[in-house]
Amino acid sequence: DTAVSQTPKYLVTQMGNDKSIKCEQNLGHDTMYWYKQDSKKFLKIMFSYNNKELIINETVPNRFSPKSPDKAHLNLHINSLELGDSAVYFCASSPQGVGNQPQHFGDGTRLSIL
Amino acid sequence: SQQGEEDPQALSIQEGENATMNCSYRTSINNLQWYRQNSGRGLVHLILIRSNEREKHSGRLRVTLDTSKKSSSLLITASRAADTASYFCATYTGTASKLTFGTGTRLQVTL
Repeated sequence: DTAVSQTPKYLVTQMGNDKSIKCEQNLGHDTMYWYKQDSKKFLKIMFSYNNKELIINETVPNRFSPKSPDKAHLNLHINSLELGDSAVYFCASSPQGVGNQPQHFGDGTRLSIL
Repeated sequence: SQQGEEDPQALSIQEGENATMNCSYRTSINNLQWYRQNSGRGLVHLILIRSNEREKHSGRLRVTLDTSKKSSSLLITASRAADTASYFCATYTGTASKLTFGTGTRLQVTL
């Protein structure tokens, strides 16, 4: 009964490949997010969707394309992977209203680029 | 840009001692939130304190907010080994529709 689940947990791939990370939440929340955490543990927002609509796109390269088929799912597709994309990617969700409610996080997807 | 900076970066204490972590931020906020991250896991929300509040408690956690100094502190009393984790503050300004996370404090509680 995991609240926010991401798959896969680990992703090891070569430069230039395309990969996807899936996220699902069963909390009934309206807002979902993708964050990137670097090797120094710095956590930065990438995208935010509210009810399937994009509301935040934080100057992320357009190789990253989020897709929200419904408000319970937010997937992240990455094209032409680069070494600098190595990081842990977290999906999160919150009730409607970005920032004024607690966010619930998945356990992350550790992406390693060879 | 980085809104919150936490101090200290790392803290090592013995079980039963209190742990205090500080967070400073730059711009006016609507609220400030504290999260815990255990190794290899996602962040877990601990406490949300609004800009018109000065102190909040939750179990062994006590959070203070001083908007005049643009700072907040998280106090964990009677720490346990299970409190070993990284702790992050996050600010919400109310204008930019996002939380901005601090740099985190790594807390190690030893037996």
